[in-house]
Amino acid sequence: DTEVTQTPKHLVMGMTNKKSLKCEQHMGHRAMYWYKQKAKKPPELMFVYSYEKLSINESVPSRFSPECPNSSLLNLHLHALQPEDSALYLCASSTGLLSSSGSNEQFFGPGTRLTVL
Amino acid sequence: GQQVMQIPQYQHVQEGEDFTTYCNSSTTLSNIQWYKQRPGGHPVFLIQLVKSGEVKKQKRLTFQFGEAKKNSSLHITATQTTDVGTYFCAGRKTSGTYKYIFGTGTRLKVLA
Repeated sequence: DTEVTQTPKHLVMGMTNKKSLKCEQHMGHRAMYWYKQKAKKPPELMFVYSYEKLSINESVPSRFSPECPNSSLLNLHLHALQPEDSALYLCASSTGLLSSSGSNEQFFGPGTRLTVL
Repeated sequence: GQQVMQIPQYQHVQEGEDFTTYCNSSTTLSNIQWYKQRPGGHPVFLIQLVKSGEVKKQKRLTFQFGEAKKNSSLHITATQTTDVGTYFCAGRKTSGTYKYIFGTGTRLKVLA
């Protein structure tokens, strides 16, 4: 199984709502990532987890709260979002947090397309 | 901060023509990856280059990593309509971080 799954595929939420995005992989990967991608732009890294611990937080606003309950699951909790947070949210995983020469291939999920009204 | 730029931003080619996208980093890279994202899809890993001056081929795709490890290129020979999509490079700095910075991307359209 070389797949990263994400739910939901689409999400529309109001600025006062609380919602969660979910990501799952069963490849035994120990590094998992959240990216945000606006239309016609590259993916922007938000968070990196390694062995279920937060390794990188790219100064993301606190209205985004990541969680890694176990090595296969990654959540992104959303609260009080702004319309400018509307984007495609991509989850990715890799075998580990990175050697300089080993393969660091990131496997991306299909994404959740989020619209904030 | 680290920036990774790609040129061109867009490229339209006739099917059968060649295509090249160039990736330039403001800092020296440990390694560089290339991804392809089809319209409406997600990034899919193509390759990773590690060594200075490295050249790798995958069928019609040729990838190069510059001698100074600050630039890279992807060349597609005889494009096909299945090559349509956005090609991103993603570079990792030589030290201090485990993250990859994605380049600005080159969107390729292939006209049949």
